[in-house]
Amino acid sequence: DVKVTQSSRYLVKRTGEKVFLECVQDMDHENMFWYRQDPGLGLRLIYFSYDVKMKEKGDIPEGYSVSREKKERFSLILESASTNQTSMYLCASSRLTEPQHFGDGTRLSIL
Amino acid sequence: QKEVEQNSGPLSVPEGAIASLNCTYSDRGSQSFFWYRQYSGKSPELIMSIYSNGDKEDGRFTAQLNKASQYVSLLIRDSQPSDSATYLCAVNTPGGSNYKLTFGKGTLLTVNP
Repeated sequence: DVKVTQSSRYLVKRTGEKVFLECVQDMDHENMFWYRQDPGLGLRLIYFSYDVKMKEKGDIPEGYSVSREKKERFSLILESASTNQTSMYLCASSRLTEPQHFGDGTRLSIL
Repeated sequence: QKEVEQNSGPLSVPEGAIASLNCTYSDRGSQSFFWYRQYSGKSPELIMSIYSNGDKEDGRFTAQLNKASQYVSLLIRDSQPSDSATYLCAVNTPGGSNYKLTFGKGTLLTVNP
């Protein structure tokens, strides 16, 4: 079974803090993704990566950056957290044409 | 702009009935299609994949694909209260050297005992 592990299930941070969300997959997948999910808005793609050290912007990249130094690890960084970044964050991985497999999610609250 | 459309619901069915969930997509070049189930507060879980026209059955679940009509559906037979969840349709479309998976916003299904 594919295992995608996100570092935290729940996280509370303060406005202006730099926040790191970590994601690790154990299936040697090329592709990794970060989404946020908000009620009524569905899944929105923030950033994705098709290879180590490679990244591409998704639909809502503003206020976020990512890092992929190793194939199995994809990090999402909130450079200066704001209250409108309070959300559920989901990491996923896949092979090129195959379905994505999701981690358990991180529910992030910015106070 | 690639789009995937689903009725948001809620779709309410009695226990034991067939639940029918529908999805349309805009890009004729789409090649693979997936259904995810998401329980409240949890992450999406892949339940069905379908790649060619016709039906694909897995237990109580049947996925149906009609590429000419750009339509994909999920049937759940003998619905159980544990099937109550949001069902996300996802469509994979090639673009350049990569593929993009586009999700619908999901249909909330409630199965009443």
